[in-house]
Amino acid sequence: AQTVTQSQPEMSVQEAETVTLSCTYDTSESDYYLFWYKQPPSRQMILVIRQEAYKQQNATENRFSVNFQKAAKSFSLKISDSQLGDAAMYFCAYCTGTASKLTFGTGTRLQVTL
Amino acid sequence: DAGVIQSPRHEVTEMGQEVTLRCKPISGHDYLFWYRQTMMRGLELLIYFNNNVPIDDSGMPEDRFSAKMPNASFSTLKIQPSEPRDSAVYFCASKRGRAWGNQPQHFGDGTRLSIL
Repeated sequence: AQTVTQSQPEMSVQEAETVTLSCTYDTSESDYYLFWYKQPPSRQMILVIRQEAYKQQNATENRFSVNFQKAAKSFSLKISDSQLGDAAMYFCAYCTGTASKLTFGTGTRLQVTL
Repeated sequence: DAGVIQSPRHEVTEMGQEVTLRCKPISGHDYLFWYRQTMMRGLELLIYFNNNVPIDDSGMPEDRFSAKMPNASFSTLKIQPSEPRDSAVYFCASKRGRAWGNQPQHFGDGTRLSIL
């Protein structure tokens, strides 16, 4: 069974600084996708960034980027120039290329301080 | 375009009552998912549909839970009878097509359910 592990229940970062959230996963598949979702206090689930396993290049979306280490089965999220609005729960998620359902990690709560 | 619409946003009811949660997926999306979020278990997939047909209900906790999708624009998740341990946030999500490349899941705002 595929599993997704987020080992940091909580993280804190100062405004304008950089923070990295960790995620590891376990799979025997070669074709899969990885995602980071943000859940602010409003409860919405917002897709932040996604990575296709077959792509070697790390995905980037503005201030958000990932460090995808396929051999190590690691998928960390880097947030640069952190803003107060980045404070939220962040979930790492996985799915295979042939399946339609996501498996989520337990989440990391990010606090952004002044 | 309107996103995934869930109702109600909050539901408080007494143990033993029937609870019905509703979801309208994004138009044109052929996959619909129901998730449950709790502090203890995180986000769990309960069931998902493709073209209104249930494909995988292995996450449905027990017979008290049932889900239907009578048409492409509407789905319900029903709990009967409800129990306090069913208290959670329930999310509905939809997506277009099976491929993940450019078609992520879109989530509704969730229904916070409290069973007293």
